[in-house]
Amino acid sequence: GEDVEQSLFLSVREGDSSVINCTYTDSSSTYLYWYKQEPGAGLQLLTYIFSNMDMKQDQRLTVLLNKKDKHLSLRIADTQTGDSAIYFCAERTNAGKSTFGDGTTLTVKP
Amino acid sequence: DGGITQSPKYLFRKEGQNVTLSCEQNLNHDAMYWYRQDPGQGLRLIYYSQIVNDFQKGDIAEGYSVSREKKESFPLTVTSAQKNPTAFYLCASSFGTSGEQYFGPGTRLTVT
Repeated sequence: GEDVEQSLFLSVREGDSSVINCTYTDSSSTYLYWYKQEPGAGLQLLTYIFSNMDMKQDQRLTVLLNKKDKHLSLRIADTQTGDSAIYFCAERTNAGKSTFGDGTTLTVKP
Repeated sequence: DGGITQSPKYLFRKEGQNVTLSCEQNLNHDAMYWYRQDPGQGLRLIYYSQIVNDFQKGDIAEGYSVSREKKESFPLTVTSAQKNPTAFYLCASSFGTSGEQYFGPGTRLTVT
């Protein structure tokens, strides 16, 4: 079955880069997403990448996809205290079903 | 403004009572979803609907029921059969099954 794994915690200093990693198992994944969740709120779509791409950049965010290793990463450049949140990786398959990781809690220290 | 809304934000119920959570979207999305989130965990799919008058069970449907009588609305009922209903409930919608999902702000249900 589908499974998405993420490390649970990441702590960085303000101004450093953050890299959040994710692995998935379903080779039929068509889209891979990164969502951000602030306390008590819903999930906000940050960015996504098609499975036939290997990189996507959007301002401070860079997504890298290694389809062979089923590994996805999200890099946040110049991390700010406002980036502190839980980040979810999610995959979507041809069948339309989405599977979410358990989330990585990013803490940015001033 | 287009968006997806959930109400109420906080809900308190006594054990043994059914409770219905509201989810409305004006994004003209065909598909709608209900997820449950427990502390320190990811999202688990309860039910989803790809079209009006049709819905499918997700991974943890037991103790829940839904209806999809209108495209804009996908209410979730948490029944007394749900053994551990206290959780944060998130509704989402998307264009068909291939589009990215947009989430509502969530409803935190506490059952005592």
